Amino acid sequence: DQQVKQNSPSLSVQEGRISILNCDYTNSMFDYFLWYKKYPAEGPTFLISISSIKDKNEDGRFTVFLNKSAKHLSLHIVPSQPGDSAVYFCAASVIGNEKLTFGTGTRLTIIP
Amino acid sequence: GAGVSQSPSNKVTEKGKDVELRCDPISGHTALYWYRQRLGQGLEFLIYFQGNSAPDKSGLPSDRFSAERTGESVSTLTIQRTQQEDSAVYLCASSGNGYEQYFGPGTRLTVT
Repeated sequence: DQQVKQNSPSLSVQEGRISILNCDYTNSMFDYFLWYKKYPAEGPTFLISISSIKDKNEDGRFTVFLNKSAKHLSLHIVPSQPGDSAVYFCAASVIGNEKLTFGTGTRLTIIP
Repeated sequence: GAGVSQSPSNKVTEKGKDVELRCDPISGHTALYWYRQRLGQGLEFLIYFQGNSAPDKSGLPSDRFSAERTGESVSTLTIQRTQQEDSAVYLCASSGNGYEQYFGPGTRLTVT
């Protein structure tokens, strides 16, 4: 039972354009969401997070949007840069329980 | 070091042998997690240690898998009688008071 889903296994975006990565979840108990970025042969690194009391959180070029009614979140990267090419994982948790449930990841390729 | 470290970085073993994977978390982090990532798949939760509480072993796939943690430091994941389906990257993460988990580089296990 995949509670966190990233339906696009890959995405290619032109450098300078906006990258939008999507994530859907099924467990309505989830109330804290995170995005991680992973380069080959490295562990995932934390990128940005959002709690369910917000619908948007911004950090530089990265913005995460949360639509609780649709159980959907997205990560926007603008402008996209070649160094953003990586696999992006969405993760979710229930506040009070630090265990994270991860999606299967989306491989983002930025085309110079 | 400042980050999570894991050893070995690569391990090739014959089917039926036992393996031990080691994780050194960030100093002071009370929570420690083990995940597995099979080729082309997402991060699969295995086990979670939090301070002196009993570990959450709900993700361990079989009784061939076990893990220990010494206090709030080093953890060892042991796989007995390895099978080919155990081939994966095994990732360790630690966290302090927040939900952001900090990952090590992983151990790539190949069972031949």
